[in-house]
Amino acid sequence: EPEVTQTPSHQVTQMGQEVILRCVPISNHLYFYWYRQILGQKVEFLVSFYNNEISEKSEIFDDQFSVERPDGSNFTLKIRSTKLEDSAMYFCASSDPDRGSNQPQHFGDGTRLSIL
Amino acid sequence: GQNIDQPTEMTATEGAIVQINCTYQTSGFNGLFWYQQHAGEAPTFLSYNVLDGLEEKGRFSSFLSRSKGYSYLLLKELQMKDSASYLCAVRDPGTYKYIFGTGTRLKVLA
Repeated sequence: EPEVTQTPSHQVTQMGQEVILRCVPISNHLYFYWYRQILGQKVEFLVSFYNNEISEKSEIFDDQFSVERPDGSNFTLKIRSTKLEDSAMYFCASSDPDRGSNQPQHFGDGTRLSIL
Repeated sequence: GQNIDQPTEMTATEGAIVQINCTYQTSGFNGLFWYQQHAGEAPTFLSYNVLDGLEEKGRFSSFLSRSKGYSYLLLKELQMKDSASYLCAVRDPGTYKYIFGTGTRLKVLA
């Protein structure tokens, strides 16, 4: 079964540095998402992306964050000037809404980001 | 805005049936999803409801009442591997933005 893949599985970075989290969505999916889950807390929506542009973003997704689809397969989340509170699990997901609105999101295994 | 409430934790015995409730207050409604999340892993899709009633999928069923803003996930013949968090999520109407509840951590005891 096709799956969403994320790299790296764990990223350790010094505070203030920039990180890029990478995702390869399922190939025929059209909608891509990033979520954040701080340890012990709920899954929080960050951004959705469709047709090479952001379609929705949450209040968390401020100027510190950006997303890009640099080629036909990758979808990246960049976090600039990282802060301690950015430490979390970041999940990428994709869905195929053109098959109907009840299509679920498929999540990658996540990248655990640790800011020191 | 959207608000979703779920119990924080539940405990049940192997072989039993458990019902996990979810209530939501939303400005509109465009479907409700249930996901399972084992500790340290990604959420995996369990079920979707957009119309009132019960959707059955093997040992798992999900129910929706739109007039009451209420859903439940029913797990039958509980197994130890069902110990996980169960996440209720709704889609913001007219968008592809999904709002997740805090999740219900289910512990299945032998």
